[in-house]
Amino acid sequence: AQSVSQHNHHVILSEAASLELGCNYSYGGTVNLFWYVQYPGQHLQLLLKYFSGDPLVKGIKGFEAEFIKSKFSFNLRKPSVQWSDTAEYFCAVNTPNQAGTALIFGKGTTLSVSS
Amino acid sequence: EAGVAQSPRYKIIEKRQSVAFWCNPISGHATLYWYQQILGQGPKLLIQFQNNGVVDDSQLPKDRFSAERLKGVDSTLKIQPAKLEDSAVYLCASSPNWDSNQPQHFGDGTRLSIL
Repeated sequence: AQSVSQHNHHVILSEAASLELGCNYSYGGTVNLFWYVQYPGQHLQLLLKYFSGDPLVKGIKGFEAEFIKSKFSFNLRKPSVQWSDTAEYFCAVNTPNQAGTALIFGKGTTLSVSS
Repeated sequence: EAGVAQSPRYKIIEKRQSVAFWCNPISGHATLYWYQQILGQGPKLLIQFQNNGVVDDSQLPKDRFSAERLKGVDSTLKIQPAKLEDSAVYLCASSPNWDSNQPQHFGDGTRLSIL
């Protein structure tokens, strides 16, 4: 069965620090990869997604992620975080060409940014 | 566009009681998902609908959970009887169709507490 691992449960950073959140998935075939964010009191929102092509994808609010197929990884990065980036971040995966397209999520990483 | 609407936002019941949640997806979205998110974990699929048909309900505890989407628009999820381990946030999501690369749009969720 597919699974997604997020290595960091809680990350605490100061404003302007760089961010990298790890995500690994277990599936040998073609996958679609997503990062979702949940700001306090809000619903899950899509940050960015990868389906094919350039493995470096850019999302909203200055976030980017790199798909490294050989490492089964899809790490999220941001060069300089802001206080408003405080949120919970979820990595998710699904597979094309299957009847069910539901997302498989990691457990999430809570990011706390201090000003 | 209006987002995915869910109600109620919060529900507290005693174990062995029944409860129902409602979801209205984004207009025109054919695919609807119900996820369960237990505290400290990522969302986990319960059931996926394509229009009014079930695509995947393999992880739905069918002895106590049921869901329907009779007219292919809004949907209800029911638990009867509830157990303590059903305490969670129940998320509804929708997407335009069942292409796996379509991002899913999430509602605010219903937080269920079982006493």
